[in-house]
Amino acid sequence: GAVVSQHPSWVICKSGTSVKIECRSLDFQATTMFWYRQFPKQSLMLMATSNEGSKATYEQGVEKDKFLINHASLTLSTLTVTSAHPEDSSFYICSAGRTASSYEQYFGPGTRLTVT
Amino acid sequence: AQSVSQHNHHVILSEAASLELGCNYSYGGTVNLFWYVQYPGQHLQLLLKYFSGDPLVKGIKGFEAEFIKSKFSFNLRKPSVQWSDTAEYFCAVNGPPGGATNKLIFGTGTLLAVQP
Repeated sequence: GAVVSQHPSWVICKSGTSVKIECRSLDFQATTMFWYRQFPKQSLMLMATSNEGSKATYEQGVEKDKFLINHASLTLSTLTVTSAHPEDSSFYICSAGRTASSYEQYFGPGTRLTVT
Repeated sequence: AQSVSQHNHHVILSEAASLELGCNYSYGGTVNLFWYVQYPGQHLQLLLKYFSGDPLVKGIKGFEAEFIKSKFSFNLRKPSVQWSDTAEYFCAVNGPPGGATNKLIFGTGTLLAVQP
């Protein structure tokens, strides 16, 4: 149990366009979902935390108008990269927690975004 | 703020060798500690976790980790590695105390290559 999926797994887009990445918890309800960014040979950096039905909480330095997060249901959260630029190219990973107080997170497989 | 250090960035071992990967965290309060593994092309998977109780924690695939509070450490060990253990290993600690979202702070990762 505790499977998290992401779609798409890989996306290429042109500079200036927007890209939406979906994160789904397949066999459990995720009260809280997290979005991370991973640069090559670096660690995961938390971008934002979203709780179902409320606004996401963004980490310092993350532009909330650029990285739009929606957590519309207990099984789906989306990350939209708006007006993408080449520097947004990265590996985006989501994770989900069963409850707001749960310390354990279940990770999705990640989405590779390349902006040309 | 909490931070996590992984001292070994790249480790190369022969099969059957013993493994120990270092992990140190900075904040000395109540912490929850995790080791995650990322096999090539796959998503992060939980190896083991420590919340409380016995400081020697056993995880999947023969891995174990020891929580030493006085040293702010949570080192990962395996007595005899296999080629299939080739992966990247991340240590993580739950975020600042009192945080409603229980954010995970990740170390920079250790890339383990096991030679057959």
